[in-house]
Amino acid sequence: NAGVTQTPKFQVLKTGQSMTLQCAQDMNHNSMYWYRQDPGMGLRLIYYSASEGTTDKGEVPNGYNVSRLNKREFSLRLESAAPSQTSVYFCASSLTGGGEETQYFGPGTRLLVL
Amino acid sequence: AQSVTQLDSQVPVFEEAPVELRCNYSSSVSVYLFWYVQYPNQGLQLLLKYLSGSTLVKGINGFEAEFNKSQTSFHLRKPSVHISDTAEYFCAVSEDGSGYALNFGKGTSLLVTP
Repeated sequence: NAGVTQTPKFQVLKTGQSMTLQCAQDMNHNSMYWYRQDPGMGLRLIYYSASEGTTDKGEVPNGYNVSRLNKREFSLRLESAAPSQTSVYFCASSLTGGGEETQYFGPGTRLLVL
Repeated sequence: AQSVTQLDSQVPVFEEAPVELRCNYSSSVSVYLFWYVQYPNQGLQLLLKYLSGSTLVKGINGFEAEFNKSQTSFHLRKPSVHISDTAEYFCAVSEDGSGYALNFGKGTSLLVTP
């Protein structure tokens, strides 16, 4: 039982390049989330998926797109990377998305945009 | 909408000393409260959470927190810290009925030294 896995662990991009961050969970959770973590800012929600087939914007969605490929996988795409997107990205999942539920986090992807 | 304030960005403490990490929140409705811990270069994991009932909540690794509704606080405590407790600690809140919306504080860095 691997929990939440993310690939890649590290990535360096040049401004304007695109990339997709991958996330998968094996806990049969319905809800999945993408956060970014910046120094002194805590975690901010980018997008979330309450269930397979649905996605919604979070606090900071600009510059990102997401795909809920199936129940297990939730990807985050940067179409044209900008230096402001340099951050650590975390994927998380929870059973049904209720506010009382624990969210389970992956190990993160560290992204540097030059 | 709720907000979370972690009053200390950094807390240095000696090994075996007690520690308190402070968290205040603002909300006009019932809330669920969480403390997550992030060890260096890892994802977040749940320390403890308050949903309802007893205001003193015990979590993993000897941590506990007390919900104080009148002061809108949820401070985290440990009577005797270890070197291995060195990590970033995040307070988070969600509102009853809000579903996904988990709002994080900016984090407190706990540094335990010998």
